[in-house]
Amino acid sequence: DVQMTQSPSAMSASVGDRVTITCRASQGIYNYLAWFQQKPGKVPKRLIYAASTLQSGVPSRFSGSGSGTEFTLTISSLQPEDFATYYCLQHNNYPRTFGQGTKVELK
Amino acid sequence: EVQLLESGGGLIQPGGSLRLSCAASGLTFSTYAMSWVRQAPGKGLEWVSAISGSGGTTYYADSVKGRFTISRDNSKHMLYLQLNSLRAEDTAVYYCATHYDFWKGAFDSWGQGSLVTVSS
Repeated sequence: DVQMTQSPSAMSASVGDRVTITCRASQGIYNYLAWFQQKPGKVPKRLIYAASTLQSGVPSRFSGSGSGTEFTLTISSLQPEDFATYYCLQHNNYPRTFGQGTKVELK
Repeated sequence: EVQLLESGGGLIQPGGSLRLSCAASGLTFSTYAMSWVRQAPGKGLEWVSAISGSGGTTYYADSVKGRFTISRDNSKHMLYLQLNSLRAEDTAVYYCATHYDFWKGAFDSWGQGSLVTVSS
């Protein structure tokens, strides 16, 4: 199974900050990496798939990059509605595996 | 717009059984693979099972293999998850999710979730 390791597990940031979250895969997954945002009590929402393809309707301040085993999610200028938990998911093979999550909190 | 609505969750004793359902609309259901993803209280996301559009191919997480069965009825636009031999660690919100490509798809639409609580 592919293990997905996210870092950091939590972070404090301010509105306007540039935020970067990293996800590492235990083996190469090409570019089959997705990012999800989840707010408390809400359903996960896909932001990015295939490492860098922005989901329709997602603001352009979100971007993804990487291939192989190392991937990043960047929020160029953090907005109040972006405080949430972010998960990566490898969608290269089964079993699908998620990272443990990164909670972005207000500093 | 794709809509997914789960039902069938509830409180069940350890060792018991339950069947979750997911009603899909707004998509050509038989062309979409479907998965179940769960989230234990206060924990992260865990993929549980996937089924191809035809229903002919299925995959399971090791944690549920042999206990859970995924199935679908394309004529009714319904997805199911049969949960048997339930354990306390199966307590979670169970989401159904679509992915157009069974082999490489990433979950694009999600239901609201159905809570399963396994407790005596």
